[in-house]
Amino acid sequence: QQQVKQSPQSLIVQKGGISIINCAYENTAFDYFPWYQQFPGKGPALLIAIRPDVSEKKEGRFTISFNKSAKQFSLHIMDSQPGDSATYFCAASPNTGNQFYFGTGTSLTVIP
Amino acid sequence: EPEVTQTPSHQVTQMGQEVILRCVPISNHLYFYWYRQILGQKVEFLVSFYNNEISEKSEIFDDQFSVERPDGSNFTLKIRSTKLEDSAMYFCASSNGQADTGELFFGEGSRLTVL
Repeated sequence: QQQVKQSPQSLIVQKGGISIINCAYENTAFDYFPWYQQFPGKGPALLIAIRPDVSEKKEGRFTISFNKSAKQFSLHIMDSQPGDSATYFCAASPNTGNQFYFGTGTSLTVIP
Repeated sequence: EPEVTQTPSHQVTQMGQEVILRCVPISNHLYFYWYRQILGQKVEFLVSFYNNEISEKSEIFDDQFSVERPDGSNFTLKIRSTKLEDSAMYFCASSNGQADTGELFFGEGSRLTVL
């Protein structure tokens, strides 16, 4: 059972464009939703995270939009840069326990 | 900046052999994890460890897997009798809080290839 569904699988964006990656979940016990960025040969690194008590969180060029009623959240990368080219994973964790459930990842390529 | 370190970076083994993957978590962290990522697929939870015992494990973490924190700094994952399908990148992670309160820091991974 896929706890967190992520789309698209891959994304190509022109430099300066907006990259949008979407995730959906079913488990209403999830209360923490991080996004991880992974470069080739490296472990995932926390990019930005949100809790369901807010609908949006912005950090620099990265914004998470959260729709609790639809059980969806998305990552927006504004002014995308070639250095943003990486694999992005959404994740979710419940308010009890220690397990993160990851999406299947989105490979982002930003073309100069 | 503190980091999670893992060794070896790559291990090749024959099917049926035992493998030990080692991790040094960030020193003041209390929660330790192993995740794995089969090439091109999602990151999958294996096990979490807190207060010197397993706090949670997935269905992947069957009897061939075990974890240990032998000396207060290292955190190891042992795979007793490796199978072809164990080939993956294994990530160690640590945090200073539970999943919804502590940022998860990942190591760079140990690539396991089972022949």
